[in-house]
Amino acid sequence: DAKTTQPNSMESNEEEPVHLPCNHSTISGTDYIHWYRQLPSQGPEYVIHGLTSNVNNRMASLAIAEDRKSSTLILHRATLRDAAVYYCIPLRDTDKLIFGTGTRLQVFP
Amino acid sequence: DAGVTQSPTHLIKTRGQQVTLRCSPISGHKSVSWYQQVLGQGPQFIFQYYEKEERGRGNFPDRFSARQFPNYSSELNVNALLLGDSALYLCASSKLAGAGAYTQYFGPGTRLTVL
Repeated sequence: DAKTTQPNSMESNEEEPVHLPCNHSTISGTDYIHWYRQLPSQGPEYVIHGLTSNVNNRMASLAIAEDRKSSTLILHRATLRDAAVYYCIPLRDTDKLIFGTGTRLQVFP
Repeated sequence: DAGVTQSPTHLIKTRGQQVTLRCSPISGHKSVSWYQQVLGQGPQFIFQYYEKEERGRGNFPDRFSARQFPNYSSELNVNALLLGDSALYLCASSKLAGAGAYTQYFGPGTRLTVL
């Protein structure tokens, strides 16, 4: 299983962009990079995933480094509802999600 | 469409008892996974079932068991409860299994308290 490193916490003001980094230097060529988040008192929620190319969806964008050893989750305009713990999870041929410590994002009004 | 549902929402048991937690996946989803989340930590993988067969097992003792039914719903059983089993138990479903590319959808969880 690929190891990941994320900052313990980050802060943002409402309506500002947020860039959440993740290092996954031991990732293999076939590992998908998934991001999930967990809001307080809720189950985890899928955010986005990708393999090699940058990806966009209605929630966020995922920028994957060319060497795939790191990725960045981008929230274009943070809202109070985006306050959560964000997990970066490489996955290969399995559905077993290994949640590390994640990044706790605080959003201020 | 309804999301993943779990029952009960909360449960209080005493040490040594047995508990059964239930999960109904999203309609059309054939894979169900179970996770345990202790307070202050990230979820830990317990089991995955796909088409009624076990596809994966995490590092949990044999007191933990699960099964999947023909309608793809699932039960998680924990025997001989310990205080350390107190946690939020999460169920997740996905359409298919494997390949690392499938989105998993989580339910709200069952909060188990062991006294």
